[in-house]
Amino acid sequence: KAGVTQTPRYLIKTRGQQVTLSCSPISGHRSVSWYQQTPGQGLQFLFEYFSETQRNKGNFPGRFSGRQFSNSRSEMNVSTLELGDSALYLCASSLGGGITGELFFGEGSRLTVL
Amino acid sequence: AQSVAQPEDQVNVAEGNPLTVKCTYSVSGNPYLFWYVQYPNRGLQFLLKYITGDNLVKGSYGFEAEFNKSQTSFHLKKPSALVSDSALYFCAVRDPALNTGFQKLVFGTGTRLLVSP
Repeated sequence: KAGVTQTPRYLIKTRGQQVTLSCSPISGHRSVSWYQQTPGQGLQFLFEYFSETQRNKGNFPGRFSGRQFSNSRSEMNVSTLELGDSALYLCASSLGGGITGELFFGEGSRLTVL
Repeated sequence: AQSVAQPEDQVNVAEGNPLTVKCTYSVSGNPYLFWYVQYPNRGLQFLLKYITGDNLVKGSYGFEAEFNKSQTSFHLKKPSALVSDSALYFCAVRDPALNTGFQKLVFGTGTRLLVSP
């Protein structure tokens, strides 16, 4: 069974640009969450999608957005990039139907903003 | 708000010795607790979880964790450490404010485990 796939794995952008990251969840998983990991702030929740609907959003500015498609694949977009957006962006999937299911994480997309 | 604390930035242990990585939690209601491990340049891998039931939870790679309600702790343990266990370990608690099946986790700051040969 294939795991969570994130693309691209590494990317470099300059300030002011935008970026789109992609996540393909485990087959059958309907929930996709995104987390940002930085040395200073640790792991912080961005948002979660279930059946194409955003169910919750973390405390990030509106420059961070996402969506989920009918096949459960998800994308997140960051516009007007800032240096502080440099981070490892992790996608996680789960069945989404109950409280006992763990999250399965992808390898992450490492974004560097110059 | 739900939170977990990992008081140690780094834990050093010799191979073959037992290891403990500490985690304390602060929650309203019943805690749903998790441990994850992260190897360099990799995503997080699930180790184990406590939802309810036995206070001693067994997980992957020989790890176990003990849930202690009176001390609000959920320490990760392994009887005999391996060099390959060297990694970053995260304790996490599920945010229970949502009863929709939504799986948001609040993570601790992480503890780096270094196992020396």
